[in-house]
Parts: sequence; structure tokens; C-alpha cells
Amino acid sequence: DGGITQSPKYLFRKEGQNVTLSCEQNLNHDAMYWYRQDPGQGLRLIYYSQIVNDFQKGDIAEGYSVSREKKESFPLTVTSAQKNPTAFYLCASSLRGNIGNTEAFFGQGTRLTVV
Amino acid sequence: SQQGEEDPQALSIQEGENATMNCSYKTSINNLQWYRQNSGRGLVHLILIRSNEREKHSGRLRVTLDTSKKSSSLLITASRAADTASYFCATVTNDYKLSFGAGTTVTVRA
Repeated sequence: DGGITQSPKYLFRKEGQNVTLSCEQNLNHDAMYWYRQDPGQGLRLIYYSQIVNDFQKGDIAEGYSVSREKKESFPLTVTSAQKNPTAFYLCASSLRGNIGNTEAFFGQGTRLTVV
Repeated sequence: SQQGEEDPQALSIQEGENATMNCSYKTSINNLQWYRQNSGRGLVHLILIRSNEREKHSGRLRVTLDTSKKSSSLLITASRAADTASYFCATVTNDYKLSFGAGTTVTVRA
């Protein structure tokens, strides 16, 4: 089935450790996005990528890093520099070719907890 | 700061009533979208309205867009208990940046 998959669903990290969240899509979408959602809050954009080997910082990129080596994959690394990483992380993808039809498809999220 | 701001933050209505929520944004957009999120899940796309459109319908959903006021509204008619969720507006700018507001939590009472 076509879709966007995030893994793992739950992730625990010790303070000072880097962790990488996986996001894979088989929708042949060009654009991919990472968001952070805190309890009762909206989505804040961390990074986004329009094409392979290119990405842009969103509104809260500090303490995070990404790569886009393959069209299907857009992993997010939460580094030890991120002061408050406990949150729900959502990945999304959309077609890039016609911006007027850029409906985004979301994964089911990864809940990261720092212990 | 977030691009979109929804109003109200929370809404509680009786089943069968209509629910209206508003979204304001700050910069020029290519299109505006509305999404729904059930607790602890990913978001699901509901409807997209382009910057040159003023109104759009999809089933029980009606969206309006006023680019001069940088605002949009989402109307859900004849609400059902299953409509209980959080609703988010999202703006798309010409560089494909997809930005969300803080959302409106809707509770439909049976």
C-alpha cells in the first residue's frame, strides 16, 4: 500500500544522546517535512525538503539535523543540543510539481521522551 | 512564530449543530488547507483552497478565503460525534513551506 511510515512509534532517549527518527514514503512525493507538536499545541516546522539533496530550515531548526539522500527517505536527528526534545514528531510529504495541489500526507508520528 | 492562528482555541457543540472556526495568517500564500487530527494520530487532509478562490465545499465542509484580510473559515455543518477532533489550518507559500496554526479543538456532544 502507498503511504508514509514513521518509526519507531515510541522512542526513549537519555539526556545527551542523539537519536534519529525515520520517515519513509512510497508515494513518489518530492517534498517532505518534519514537524514537532507539543501537548495541546499546533505543529511547528523543523525542516523541509523540496528535492533530493536539498533542504531548508523551518521555524525551530536549532538542535535538529536532517538529510535527504533519497527521494523516499527524510530522517531527522534530534541532537543533544536540543534542550527540550520531548515531543510528538510528525513527518509529511507532498507532490512538488504543481504547488496548487500540495495536499500533504502524514505519518502516524513518533513520540520521543527524554529519560 | 506560527503562520496561522485559529480561533477559537476550543469549541463545544451539540450534535447536529454547525461548527465554525477561523484562521488568520501573516504572509502571502499560494493556497490554504485544513486538516483534522484525532488524538495522538497523524493529520488528515480535509480541503484545499487556492489563493484565487473564495469559497469551496466538500461534503459537510465549507471553506472561505479572504486574501485581503488574510483569513479563512471552516464550517462543519450538521456535526456528528465523530467530528470530535482538532482542526488545523495550514498555509503553503510559493517556496513549498507548509506552516500550521495552533488548531481548534472541537468537541461534539451527543
